[in-house]
Amino acid sequence: DVVMTQSPLSLPVTLGQPASISCRSSQSLVYSDGNTYLNWFQQRPGQSPRRLIYKVSNRDSGVPDRFSGSGSGTDFTLKISRVEAEDVGVYYCMQGTHWPPITFGQGTRLEIK
Amino acid sequence: EVQLVESGGVVVQPGGSLRLSCAASGFTFDDYAMHWVRQAPGKGLEWVSLISWDGGSTYYADSVKGRFTISRDNSKNSLYLQMNSLRAEDTALYYCAKGEQFDYWGQGTLVTVSS
Repeated sequence: DVVMTQSPLSLPVTLGQPASISCRSSQSLVYSDGNTYLNWFQQRPGQSPRRLIYKVSNRDSGVPDRFSGSGSGTDFTLKISRVEAEDVGVYYCMQGTHWPPITFGQGTRLEIK
Repeated sequence: EVQLVESGGVVVQPGGSLRLSCAASGFTFDDYAMHWVRQAPGKGLEWVSLISWDGGSTYYADSVKGRFTISRDNSKNSLYLQMNSLRAEDTALYYCAKGEQFDYWGQGTLVTVSS
């Protein structure tokens, strides 16, 4: 199984400051079709997960442009350029290249400092 | 507007059975694969199962293989999860999610396995 390792697991951030979450996979997430199936999800307190980013760097409709995804191979990053209060929650990376099983990272809890 | 509404979660005794449902609307249901994902209280996300658009292919996490069965009825725009031989560790909020890349999620239905 592909292990997804996120860091940090807890991320206190001052409002208006940038934030960065790392996600590393135990093997390359490049699929045979050339795509890399690495997604990012946000789960606000008391809510369902919401997809933010798909295939490494594609932002979903309605997602603010302060969110961006990057990376390749086994190393990926979610960045928030300026954290706002509504960004509080848990962020998960997920790989959909080598399955079953589809695997998620442990989650990174973002809080306002 | 895409909507996924899960139902069927209850308190059940260990060894019991349960069937979860997910009613889909706002998209062409039989164009998409569908997933079940669960989240134990205070824990992270765990993928449970995937079914292809036509129900012809199904996949399971090792933790539920042989006990859970995913199915769908495209005529009713509905996804199901039959859960047998339930264990305490199956206690979780169960979400259905749309498409191979999980672009929409339901609000979840809570399954509690306890005597």
